[in-house]
Amino acid sequence: AQRVTQPEKLLSVFKGAPVELKCNYSYSGSPELFWYVQYSRQRLQLLLRHISRESIKGFTADLNKGETSFHLKKPFAQEEDSAMYYCALNGGSNYKLTFGKGTLLTVNP
Amino acid sequence: DVKVTQSSRYLVKRTGEKVFLECVQDMDHENMFWYRQDPGLGLRLIYFSYDVKMKEKGDIPEGYSVSREKKERFSLILESASTNQTSMYLCASSYRTYEQYFGPGTRLTVT
Repeated sequence: AQRVTQPEKLLSVFKGAPVELKCNYSYSGSPELFWYVQYSRQRLQLLLRHISRESIKGFTADLNKGETSFHLKKPFAQEEDSAMYYCALNGGSNYKLTFGKGTLLTVNP
Repeated sequence: DVKVTQSSRYLVKRTGEKVFLECVQDMDHENMFWYRQDPGLGLRLIYFSYDVKMKEKGDIPEGYSVSREKKERFSLILESASTNQTSMYLCASSYRTYEQYFGPGTRLTVT
């Protein structure tokens, strides 16, 4: 069965510092990984997906199949990055997703 | 823009009541999902539907049922609400991709 692990419930950094949100997965098939973000009082929304290999709002994430990881990184955190971040894995049929438990990122001024 | 709406932002119900949560999407999406979001537990899938009248159980279906009579509407039903169903409920939809569009959520309190 697929599983997504986000080891940090809370992560606090200062503005301008690098940030890395960890995500590890287990899946026997071909994994597709995603990061979803929920800002305060806003809807959960897709941030980025590993297939597109793009940078969104300065964030990048590389799929490492050897380490079964998909860590989210940003070199210089901003206060507006404060949010709840969820890592998600394709769940097989009908486009289901398996979500991790989330990491609450706080960027302090 | 895809719009997913949920019938209520806040709902307070009593133990034993039957509760209906409604979700509507306006983009002709085939797939619709109901999650509950709890601190420390993340998002857990309750039920999903991949077509009208088609449904599958998610990870935590106990105590819930769903209905999808029209493509745009997906209802979550709590047959007999209990206090452990107090939670934030999120609806989402997607069209043949893993990009899910979420509604604003319904915070349900069962007293």
